[in-house]
Amino acid sequence: NAGVTQTPKFRVLKTGQSMTLLCAQDMNHEYMYWYRQDPGMGLRLIHYSVGEGTTAKGEVPDGYNVSRLKKQNFLLGLESAAPSQTSVYFCASTDGASLAQYFGPGTRLTVL
Amino acid sequence: AQKVTQAQTEISVVEKEDVTLDCVYETRDTTYYLFWYKQPPSGELVFLIRRNSFDEQNEISGRYSWNFQKSTSSFNFTITASQVVDSAVYFCALKNSGTYKYIFGTGTRLKVLA
Repeated sequence: NAGVTQTPKFRVLKTGQSMTLLCAQDMNHEYMYWYRQDPGMGLRLIHYSVGEGTTAKGEVPDGYNVSRLKKQNFLLGLESAAPSQTSVYFCASTDGASLAQYFGPGTRLTVL
Repeated sequence: AQKVTQAQTEISVVEKEDVTLDCVYETRDTTYYLFWYKQPPSGELVFLIRRNSFDEQNEISGRYSWNFQKSTSSFNFTITASQVVDSAVYFCALKNSGTYKYIFGTGTRLKVLA
């Protein structure tokens, strides 16, 4: 039981490049989330999904897109990376009964 | 509006001291959930506890205890006899019943010195 996994763990991009972060969970959770963590700002919600085929905007969605084609996967895309998107990105899935969020190990992204 | 405030940015204590991490929340909903998460230096976020708005009983788990007071909109976390392994960033979070979103505080970095 791997829980929540994220790929890749580290990435360096140049301004304007694109990339996709992959989140996978094996707990059969319906709800999945993407957060970014920046110093002094805690965790901010980018996008979330309440089920396969559905997505919704969070607090800071600009510059990001997401897709949930399969229940176990939640993809976060950056179409044209900017230095302001340098951050640590966390994916989480939620157990509907306990409401606890289970987090992946994070992806450290640097945009030069 | 929903908001979670963790006013303590960083706390340093000496091992075996007791320490309390403060969490103050704002919400207009009558049904909501409060959480604490731990982020050790390794970086992963670990769920510690969930408290429902309709259950004001305090909870104790080993050296950890949580004090929920609706009257002051606070959900404070106390570590008794702190240990070096308790060094981490601790986040408080809020979720209203009618939403899927979680609101996190900015975190409190706890340093326990040997």
